[in-house]
This record gives sequence, structure tokens and C-alpha cells, in this order.
Amino acid sequence: DAMVIQNPRYQVTQFGKPVTLSCSQTLNHNVMYWYQQKSSQAPKLLFHYYDKDFNNEADTPDNFQSRRPNTSFCFLDIRSPGLGDAAMYLCGTYGSDTQYFGPGTRLTVL
Amino acid sequence: KQEVTQIPAALSVPEGENLVLNCSFTDSAIYNLQWFRQDPGKGLTSLLLIQSSQREQTSGRLNASLDKSSGRSTLYIAASQPGDSATYLCAVTGKLTFGTGTRLTIIP
Repeated sequence: DAMVIQNPRYQVTQFGKPVTLSCSQTLNHNVMYWYQQKSSQAPKLLFHYYDKDFNNEADTPDNFQSRRPNTSFCFLDIRSPGLGDAAMYLCGTYGSDTQYFGPGTRLTVL
Repeated sequence: KQEVTQIPAALSVPEGENLVLNCSFTDSAIYNLQWFRQDPGKGLTSLLLIQSSQREQTSGRLNASLDKSSGRSTLYIAASQPGDSATYLCAVTGKLTFGTGTRLTIIP
């Protein structure tokens, strides 16, 4: 039973072409996160939400934006992807003192 | 700023061995500590969560311990199997901060 779903699982985009990654959850958790994970590195927090209250980390590039239209859905927009944005993007939720993560979206930038 | 370190970065052990993975953190004011497993190219699977008031948690062949005063946690895997091969990450909250992980390979 998938609880955190990310689409697509693999996304290929061209340098500078905007892309949107999506995440949905069936857990009804107020807290949601977006993480960026580059190869062999720790996941890096980009954004987190408590309900619709939104926080971005101080070092999250301006090129990244996030939207959460309702409790279940959250989107990550990359306005002008660069080669350095190629990574795995992980969506997570928090509830009952536990973090849950989706399978991730692997972004390739050509 | 919380920093989480995992040593070693990679570990290979023969099947059937017991093993310990290490995690250390710099700020002991944590809410909880969680161990995750990540298979290549996949997302994160939660293995064990230890509340800051607890000292250990067990699930099957896995046992995680927490020593807040020394800023350390260990993940003990008993009777390792090839299917245990993966990267293991620890993460601490307040704000969820991950270590870089230990890449574990179990040799059949």
C-alpha cells in the first residue's frame, strides 16, 4: 500500500527547460518535505511544510519553488534546470513520530 | 548546526556475520533518531526509530541503540544476509538531518 507516491519516477529534461515533480500522500500528515540527494551524498532538505505553512532552507537555490495546494499533494518546480540539478528528489512526510518517504524521482538534465 | 557522520563509508562482510554500523551527531538536543535503508536508485525505507528518551529499539535481526550524551547511535545487524546489501543512513530530528550513509555489501 503506497503511502507516499512520487511521479514520475524518472524525469529527463533539457538544460533550462522547466520541470515539475509531484508528490502525493495517503497518510493525511500535515508535515511534508522535499529533499535533494546527489550521488553518494546525504539527502539535503530543500523545503518543508507544516500544513500550508511553508519554509525553504536558507541555501535552497531560487531556481527551486514548491507548492502545496492541499494536504495530499505537493509539487517541486525547477524553473531553469542546470546540469548541477541532476539528482534524486525525495518527498517525505512526518507523522506519529516517524518519517515516511516516497520512492524518489531521478532527474536527468541533458 | 547539527552535523551527522557515519563511519565507515563502505563495509563488506561475509554472509552470516554480525555487524555494527555507526552514527554520530554533534548536537545532543535531538527529538528522535531514525535509521533508513536505501537500495541503489531507490527511495528511503524506515528501519527503526528511537525516541530521545529511549536507549534502543529492536526489529527482527536489527537492533539500534542511542546514547544522546555521547552523540552516538549504532545499528546492529545479526546474521547478515545478501539481501541486507544497501546503503544505511541515520537521521536526527529536530530538523531532519541525514548522515552520508554506510554502503554495506554482504558477500555470499
